[in-house]
Amino acid sequence: GAGVSQTPSNKVTEKGKYVELRCDPISGHTALYWYRQSLGQGPEFLIYFQGTGAADDSGLPNDRFFAVRPEGSVSTLKIQRTERGDSAVYLCASSPVDTGPSEAFFGQGTRLTVV
Amino acid sequence: RKEVEQDPGPFNVPEGATVAFNCTYSNSASQSFFWYRQDCRKEPKLLMSVYSSGNEDGRFTAQLNRASQYISLLIRDSKLSDSATYLCVVTPIYNFNKFYFGSGTKLNVKP
Repeated sequence: GAGVSQTPSNKVTEKGKYVELRCDPISGHTALYWYRQSLGQGPEFLIYFQGTGAADDSGLPNDRFFAVRPEGSVSTLKIQRTERGDSAVYLCASSPVDTGPSEAFFGQGTRLTVV
Repeated sequence: RKEVEQDPGPFNVPEGATVAFNCTYSNSASQSFFWYRQDCRKEPKLLMSVYSSGNEDGRFTAQLNRASQYISLLIRDSKLSDSATYLCVVTPIYNFNKFYFGSGTKLNVKP
């Protein structure tokens, strides 16, 4: 399909390990967002890319979290030294240039479980 | 204080009922407002934007009250398929691409 694709759909990792979560946005969408959703909560903003650059990374909780989008398409969210509190669904969304929520489409997310 | 607050519910209503949810936001300078719908273990999807003058889309009506800093969603003639979590979304005036979600209101429509 032509939607936002996230892989893997589920990831179980041990505390202290490194993980990478991948997002393939809708073709042609220049804006890409990462959000994190814990159980019973709404999605929480992590970072927003416009093209290759991170336009706003103020939502990243600490320096264990990092995201890249080297060619302005696929993005990878990287988490170092994972902690149990990192367990959540990580959602990626994309939208055409600067349209924000009105045209943002979310992927189905990666469910991360840190044991 | 959270940027966006919602009553978590659940709201349990019979088919055909009318139900309304409110969402309050803390920043009076907030720019844009939306309602998203999220089904269990699925991704959020845009339901409708909320315009200053209020807007309607079929059985759904959204309203904005800037003076009291809340938005509302009214669902008429509820269907079983309306059962979901409804998320309120607000964008700050300084950054349209950083949107804040409420924690959602769960709706259960019963036969």
